Amino acid sequence: RKEVEQDPGPFNVPEGATVAFNCTYSNSASQSFFWYRQDCRKEPKLLMSVYSSGNEDGRFTAQLNRASQYISLLIRDSKLSDSATYLCVVTPYSSASKIIFGSGTRLSIRP
Amino acid sequence: NAGVTQTPKFQVLKTGQSMTLQCAQDMNHNSMYWYRQDPGMGLRLIYYSASEGTTDKGEVPNGYNVSRLNKREFSLRLESAAPSQTSVYFCASSESTSGSYEQYFGPGTRLTVT
Repeated sequence: RKEVEQDPGPFNVPEGATVAFNCTYSNSASQSFFWYRQDCRKEPKLLMSVYSSGNEDGRFTAQLNRASQYISLLIRDSKLSDSATYLCVVTPYSSASKIIFGSGTRLSIRP
Repeated sequence: NAGVTQTPKFQVLKTGQSMTLQCAQDMNHNSMYWYRQDPGMGLRLIYYSASEGTTDKGEVPNGYNVSRLNKREFSLRLESAAPSQTSVYFCASSESTSGSYEQYFGPGTRLTVT
Protein backbone atom coordinates (compact mmCIF):
# COMPACT_ATOMS: atom_id res chain seq x y z
CA ARG A 1 0.00 0.00 0.00
CA LYS A 2 1.29 3.46 -0.88
CA GLU A 3 1.89 5.80 2.06
CA VAL A 4 -0.35 8.43 0.50
CA GLU A 5 -3.02 7.50 -2.02
CA GLN A 6 -5.19 9.67 -4.21
CA ASP A 7 -7.72 8.83 -6.89
CA PRO A 8 -5.89 9.94 -10.05
CA GLY A 9 -9.12 10.95 -11.78
CA PRO A 10 -9.64 12.69 -14.05
CA PHE A 11 -12.72 14.25 -12.50
CA ASN A 12 -14.61 15.99 -15.27
CA VAL A 13 -17.37 18.25 -13.92
CA PRO A 14 -19.42 21.17 -15.27
CA GLU A 15 -18.74 24.72 -14.22
CA GLY A 16 -20.65 25.57 -11.04
CA ALA A 17 -20.63 22.00 -9.73
CA THR A 18 -19.36 20.91 -6.35
CA VAL A 19 -16.58 18.35 -6.41
CA ALA A 20 -14.79 16.54 -3.62
CA PHE A 21 -11.87 14.20 -3.47
CA ASN A 22 -10.05 12.37 -0.74
CA CYS A 23 -6.52 11.43 0.09
CA THR A 24 -5.74 8.52 2.39
CA TYR A 25 -2.53 8.10 4.36
CA SER A 26 -1.07 5.09 6.11
CA ASN A 27 1.15 6.63 8.82
CA SER A 28 -1.02 7.32 11.86
CA ALA A 29 1.78 9.50 13.31
CA SER A 30 1.39 12.05 10.51
CA GLN A 31 1.04 15.56 11.87
CA SER A 32 0.86 18.06 9.04
CA PHE A 33 -1.37 17.99 6.02
CA PHE A 34 -1.63 20.21 2.96
CA TRP A 35 -3.30 20.50 -0.40
CA TYR A 36 -1.17 21.82 -3.25
CA ARG A 37 -2.37 22.75 -6.71
CA GLN A 38 -0.31 22.03 -9.81
CA ASP A 39 -1.19 23.42 -13.22
CA CYS A 40 -0.07 21.57 -16.33
CA ARG A 41 3.71 21.73 -16.73
CA LYS A 42 4.04 24.13 -13.79
CA GLU A 43 5.32 23.88 -10.26
CA PRO A 44 3.11 22.93 -7.29
CA LYS A 45 1.76 25.79 -5.22
CA LEU A 46 0.17 25.65 -1.78
CA LEU A 47 -3.62 25.75 -1.90
CA MET A 48 -4.29 25.34 1.77
CA SER A 49 -3.14 23.72 4.96
CA VAL A 50 -5.49 21.21 6.59
CA TYR A 51 -6.23 21.67 10.26
CA SER A 52 -7.74 19.19 12.67
CA SER A 53 -10.88 21.27 13.05
CA GLY A 54 -11.27 21.64 9.30
CA ASN A 55 -10.82 24.91 7.48
CA GLU A 56 -12.37 26.91 4.71
CA ASP A 57 -10.93 29.41 2.25
CA GLY A 58 -13.57 30.88 0.02
CA ARG A 59 -14.97 28.10 -2.16
CA PHE A 60 -12.49 25.55 -0.81
CA THR A 61 -12.97 23.43 2.31
CA ALA A 62 -10.41 21.01 3.68
CA GLN A 63 -11.08 18.42 6.35
CA LEU A 64 -9.03 15.89 8.28
CA ASN A 65 -10.35 12.60 9.57
CA ARG A 66 -7.68 11.12 11.82
CA ALA A 67 -9.71 8.06 12.79
CA SER A 68 -10.04 6.95 9.17
CA GLN A 69 -6.73 8.53 8.13
CA TYR A 70 -7.81 10.68 5.24
CA ILE A 71 -8.02 14.31 4.25
CA SER A 72 -10.55 15.75 1.88
CA LEU A 73 -10.89 18.76 -0.37
CA LEU A 74 -14.26 20.18 -1.36
CA ILE A 75 -14.59 22.76 -4.12
CA ARG A 76 -17.91 24.58 -4.39
CA ASP A 77 -19.18 26.56 -7.38
CA SER A 78 -16.26 25.31 -9.48
CA LYS A 79 -14.69 27.64 -12.05
CA LEU A 80 -12.89 26.86 -15.28
CA SER A 81 -9.73 28.15 -13.59
CA ASP A 82 -9.97 25.36 -10.99
CA SER A 83 -8.85 22.86 -13.64
CA ALA A 84 -5.55 21.50 -12.34
CA THR A 85 -4.02 18.58 -10.51
CA TYR A 86 -4.47 18.61 -6.74
CA LEU A 87 -1.71 17.05 -4.65
CA CYS A 88 -2.11 16.07 -1.04
CA VAL A 89 0.93 16.26 1.19
CA VAL A 90 1.34 14.39 4.45
CA THR A 91 4.24 14.76 6.83
CA PRO A 92 5.35 13.82 10.32
CA TYR A 93 5.98 16.92 12.38
CA SER A 94 9.73 16.70 12.53
CA SER A 95 11.26 15.16 9.47
CA ALA A 96 11.63 16.62 6.00
CA SER A 97 12.76 13.26 4.72
CA LYS A 98 9.31 11.87 5.44
CA ILE A 99 7.28 14.49 3.58
CA ILE A 100 5.11 12.45 1.23
CA PHE A 101 3.37 13.83 -1.83
CA GLY A 102 0.41 12.04 -3.30
CA SER A 103 0.51 11.45 -7.04
CA GLY A 104 -2.35 13.88 -7.55
CA THR A 105 -5.98 14.03 -8.62
CA ARG A 106 -6.64 15.61 -11.99
CA LEU A 107 -9.67 17.92 -12.16
CA SER A 108 -11.12 19.26 -15.38
CA ILE A 109 -13.95 21.80 -15.32
CA ARG A 110 -15.99 22.04 -18.51
CA PRO A 111 -18.04 25.09 -19.58
CA ASN B 1 10.67 38.93 -5.51
CA ALA B 2 11.81 36.13 -7.80
CA GLY B 3 11.08 33.42 -5.20
CA VAL B 4 12.78 30.18 -6.26
CA THR B 5 14.64 30.14 -9.57
CA GLN B 6 16.06 27.14 -11.41
CA THR B 7 18.36 26.77 -14.38
CA PRO B 8 18.25 25.37 -16.95
CA LYS B 9 14.56 24.97 -17.83
CA PHE B 10 15.22 22.14 -20.30
CA GLN B 11 18.17 19.82 -20.86
CA VAL B 12 18.91 16.80 -23.02
CA LEU B 13 21.84 14.62 -22.01
CA LYS B 14 23.39 11.51 -23.41
CA THR B 15 23.88 8.52 -21.12
CA GLY B 16 27.05 9.01 -19.07
CA GLN B 17 27.19 12.79 -19.35
CA SER B 18 27.22 14.93 -16.24
CA MET B 19 25.47 18.16 -15.40
CA THR B 20 24.54 20.42 -12.51
CA LEU B 21 21.08 21.84 -11.91
CA GLN B 22 21.15 25.20 -10.20
CA CYS B 23 18.62 26.54 -7.70
CA ALA B 24 18.47 29.82 -5.82
CA GLN B 25 15.94 31.39 -3.46
CA ASP B 26 15.63 34.97 -2.28
CA MET B 27 13.21 34.43 0.63
CA ASN B 28 15.93 33.92 3.27
CA HIS B 29 14.66 30.39 3.87
CA ASN B 30 16.75 28.01 5.91
CA SER B 31 15.69 24.80 4.19
CA MET B 32 15.94 23.71 0.58
CA TYR B 33 14.94 20.56 -1.27
CA TRP B 34 15.34 18.72 -4.56
CA TYR B 35 12.49 16.59 -5.88
CA ARG B 36 11.87 14.62 -9.01
CA GLN B 37 8.42 14.14 -10.48
CA ASP B 38 7.57 11.22 -12.72
CA PRO B 39 4.17 10.45 -14.23
CA GLY B 40 1.87 8.70 -11.75
CA MET B 41 4.40 8.76 -8.93
CA GLY B 42 4.09 12.15 -7.29
CA LEU B 43 7.09 14.15 -6.15
CA ARG B 44 9.90 12.16 -4.57
CA LEU B 45 12.54 13.78 -2.38
CA ILE B 46 16.10 13.34 -3.63
CA TYR B 47 18.08 15.42 -1.12
CA TYR B 48 17.36 18.20 1.27
CA SER B 49 19.29 20.76 3.26
CA ALA B 50 17.89 21.78 6.62
CA SER B 51 20.26 24.72 6.89
CA GLU B 52 23.37 26.16 5.30
CA GLY B 53 26.20 23.64 5.55
CA THR B 54 24.04 20.54 5.99
CA THR B 55 22.60 18.09 3.49
CA ASP B 56 20.70 14.84 3.92
CA LYS B 57 19.43 12.07 1.70
CA GLY B 58 15.79 11.78 0.84
CA GLU B 59 13.88 8.89 -0.65
CA VAL B 60 15.77 8.52 -3.96
CA PRO B 61 19.36 9.85 -3.60
CA ASN B 62 21.23 7.29 -5.72
CA GLY B 63 22.94 8.80 -8.74
CA TYR B 64 22.83 12.36 -7.39
CA ASN B 65 24.96 14.68 -5.30
CA VAL B 66 24.13 18.08 -3.85
CA SER B 67 25.89 21.17 -2.61
CA ARG B 68 24.46 23.86 -0.37
CA LEU B 69 26.76 26.60 -1.57
CA ASN B 70 25.34 29.25 0.77
CA LYS B 71 21.96 30.07 2.25
CA ARG B 72 20.55 31.06 -1.15
CA GLU B 73 21.83 28.31 -3.42
CA PHE B 74 21.39 24.54 -3.55
CA SER B 75 22.67 22.63 -6.57
CA LEU B 76 21.99 19.09 -7.75
CA ARG B 77 24.62 17.18 -9.72
CA LEU B 78 24.22 14.14 -11.92
CA GLU B 79 27.68 12.62 -12.29
CA SER B 80 26.82 10.02 -14.93
CA ALA B 81 23.33 10.44 -16.30
CA ALA B 82 21.15 7.41 -16.96
CA PRO B 83 17.84 7.14 -18.88
CA SER B 84 16.11 6.36 -15.56
CA GLN B 85 16.93 9.92 -14.50
CA THR B 86 14.69 11.35 -17.21
CA SER B 87 12.24 13.39 -15.16
CA VAL B 88 11.12 16.84 -14.11
CA TYR B 89 13.25 18.20 -11.28
CA PHE B 90 11.87 20.74 -8.83
CA CYS B 91 13.79 22.71 -6.26
CA ALA B 92 11.88 24.02 -3.25
CA SER B 93 12.54 26.04 -0.13
CA SER B 94 10.82 26.56 3.21
CA GLU B 95 11.40 28.27 6.54
CA SER B 96 12.37 24.98 8.17
CA THR B 97 12.18 21.25 7.66
CA SER B 98 9.69 20.69 10.43
CA GLY B 99 7.11 19.74 7.84
CA SER B 100 4.61 22.26 9.05
CA TYR B 101 5.81 25.01 6.77
CA GLU B 102 4.74 25.72 3.22
CA GLN B 103 7.21 24.78 0.53
CA TYR B 104 7.83 27.19 -2.36
CA PHE B 105 8.78 25.55 -5.63
CA GLY B 106 10.85 26.68 -8.57
CA PRO B 107 9.54 26.31 -12.14
CA GLY B 108 11.29 22.99 -12.71
CA THR B 109 13.92 21.55 -15.03
CA ARG B 110 12.78 19.07 -17.67
CA LEU B 111 15.62 16.60 -18.18
CA THR B 112 15.77 13.94 -20.86
CA VAL B 113 18.55 11.37 -20.88
CA THR B 114 18.94 9.43 -24.13
